[in-house]
Amino acid sequence: DAGVTQSPTHLIKTRGQQVTLRCSPKSGHDTVSWYQQALGQGPQFIFQYYEEEERQRGNFPDRFSGHQFPNYSSELNVNALLLGDSALYLCASSRQGIVRTGELFFGEGSRLTVL
Amino acid sequence: DQQVKQNSPSLSVQEGRISILNCDYTNSMFDYFLWYKKYPAEGPTFLISISSIKDKNEDGRFTVFLNKSAKHLSLHIVPSQPGDSAVYFCAKGGTSYGKLTFGQGTILTVHP
Repeated sequence: DAGVTQSPTHLIKTRGQQVTLRCSPKSGHDTVSWYQQALGQGPQFIFQYYEEEERQRGNFPDRFSGHQFPNYSSELNVNALLLGDSALYLCASSRQGIVRTGELFFGEGSRLTVL
Repeated sequence: DQQVKQNSPSLSVQEGRISILNCDYTNSMFDYFLWYKKYPAEGPTFLISISSIKDKNEDGRFTVFLNKSAKHLSLHIVPSQPGDSAVYFCAKGGTSYGKLTFGQGTILTVHP
């Protein structure tokens, strides 16, 4: 049973560019959340997708957008990259109905470096 | 607005002894707290949770205590093992569809 998979694992971009990160949730999960983890910090909630819609959003600018597909996989897009966007981007999946227990399953993350 | 704080960046413990990781929070409007463990190059892994209506929850070597009057949460690991060496995050959850607010993390090192 595959867990949460993310791609790519590492990538380097320059300021002003755009990036797309991808996530496949754990089998049986229908809800995907994205988190940003800066160096030395805890993960910060970006947004969550359920039924192909953004259901909840954290304190991130509109440069951060996402999408969920009918197969529950998800993409995170970041436009006009800034140096401060350099971080580990984590995808977490869960199944509707047990989300409130907090038991999210995380992928290994995509390490983004902006030069 | 740091609603969850882990004031100790690191903790070093001898194998077999108790590890105590601490977390303070500033907002009372939530349903549950959680602890996650993270190894290098891996995503965080859920460890244990506690509802805000409880004071204690146990799972094997791991026990979480919640002191609501002090707004303090702690994770006890007994006995500690070298494999427990990792970064530990406390997090709080509420009604927002699984949105978790994480602390900064504490690096636990268990020496053989």
